[in-house]
Amino acid sequence: DAGVTQSPTHLIKTRGQHVTLRCSPISGHKSVSWYQQVLGQGPQFIFQYYEKEERGRGNFPDRFSARQFPNYSSELNVNALLLGDSALYLCASSPGAGVAYEQYFGPGTRLTVT
Amino acid sequence: AQSVTQLDSQVPVFEEAPVELRCNYSSSVSVYLFWYVQYPNQGLQLLLKYLSGSTLVESINGFEAEFNKSQTSFHLRKPSVHISDTAEYFCAVSTGTYKYIFGTGTRLKVLA
Repeated sequence: DAGVTQSPTHLIKTRGQHVTLRCSPISGHKSVSWYQQVLGQGPQFIFQYYEKEERGRGNFPDRFSARQFPNYSSELNVNALLLGDSALYLCASSPGAGVAYEQYFGPGTRLTVT
Repeated sequence: AQSVTQLDSQVPVFEEAPVELRCNYSSSVSVYLFWYVQYPNQGLQLLLKYLSGSTLVESINGFEAEFNKSQTSFHLRKPSVHISDTAEYFCAVSTGTYKYIFGTGTRLKVLA
């Protein structure tokens, strides 16, 4: 079975631009979470979606938004990009919400903002 | 609020030697604890987790971790490491909701 897939793999954007990152969960998984991993740091939680509804949000500005589609894939959108948004963006899927369900991480999208 | 501290940013160790990666957490409520491993250019993989029950949990590749509530620790240990264990290891905590708090990671370097 295919694991979690993310696209694109790498992306270079200019300050002030907008970016959309995509995630396809493992088949049958209904929950998707997004994390930001800045170089040298651990992942920081951005959003969790379950059954197409936002279940939780981390301490990120409103420039960050996301959605989950009927097929459970997800998009993360970031507006008005700042240099500090440069990071590895990780998507994780799980069969359900809550800690009893293991999260499976994708390889990430490396975003560079210049 | 919860927090996770991994005091060691890098741990070099010779092959077949034992290793301990330290993790301490802070929380005012009950927590669930996790160790994830990240190999170069890959996403994170769950290594082991503590949800309830026995405080000693083991992974299939020889790692183990013990939940110590009084010391608020969840240290990761392996009695004999291999070159293939070279990776970055992240400790994480959750209170059972959607949110996981990760530590800053410990880079394990196994030397031949």
